[in-house]
Amino acid sequence: TQLLEQSPQFLSIQEGENLTVYCNSSSVFSSLQWYRQEPGEGPVLLVTVVTGGEVKKLKRLTFQFGDARKDSSLHITAAQTGDTGLYLCAGGPPSRSNYKLTFGKGTLLTVNP
Amino acid sequence: DAGVIQSPRHEVTEMGQEVTLRCKPISGHNSLFWYRQTMMRGLELLIYFNNNVPIDDSGMPEDRFSAKMPNASFSTLKIQPSEPRDSAVYFCASTPNSDTQYFGPGTRLTVL
Repeated sequence: TQLLEQSPQFLSIQEGENLTVYCNSSSVFSSLQWYRQEPGEGPVLLVTVVTGGEVKKLKRLTFQFGDARKDSSLHITAAQTGDTGLYLCAGGPPSRSNYKLTFGKGTLLTVNP
Repeated sequence: DAGVIQSPRHEVTEMGQEVTLRCKPISGHNSLFWYRQTMMRGLELLIYFNNNVPIDDSGMPEDRFSAKMPNASFSTLKIQPSEPRDSAVYFCASTPNSDTQYFGPGTRLTVL
């Protein structure tokens, strides 16, 4: 069974601070996705990384896939209150024989004004 | 595009009652997923359909849970009889056979 562990579980910071959240596993994934979920809504895809060592930037968000494709990090620069939400990472199966994703439990981020 | 549509958005029922959750995937999407989300266990995959056929139901907790997809535009998840430990948010997601899953807004189920 593939498992993804996310840390920290909870994070509360002030607006303007930088932060990094992590997604780790002992398993290899074909791809790694990050979703953001706001209260009362379903998760929404932020980014997909597929190549070991890949770095993608989305405005103030920087995503990195580990060289061995077992882990990932999300760094937010100058956090804003609108960044508040549950950040979920999800791994695609190594064989790509199906479209099942393995989700971590998430990091609940609160950005205070 | 309307996105994935789920109904009802909220459901409150008493233990022992039958509960039916409904999902309309995005038109043209070939795969559909039912998930359950709780604080303790996070987002758990219950069942996965591809082209209306159940591919993997290993996440269905027990025989009280059943899911159907009679056509490409509709799926149901039924719990009979319901129990308090089934209280959770249930999400439906669809994908056009890619890594990106599009989630509905969820159904918040409370079993008293």
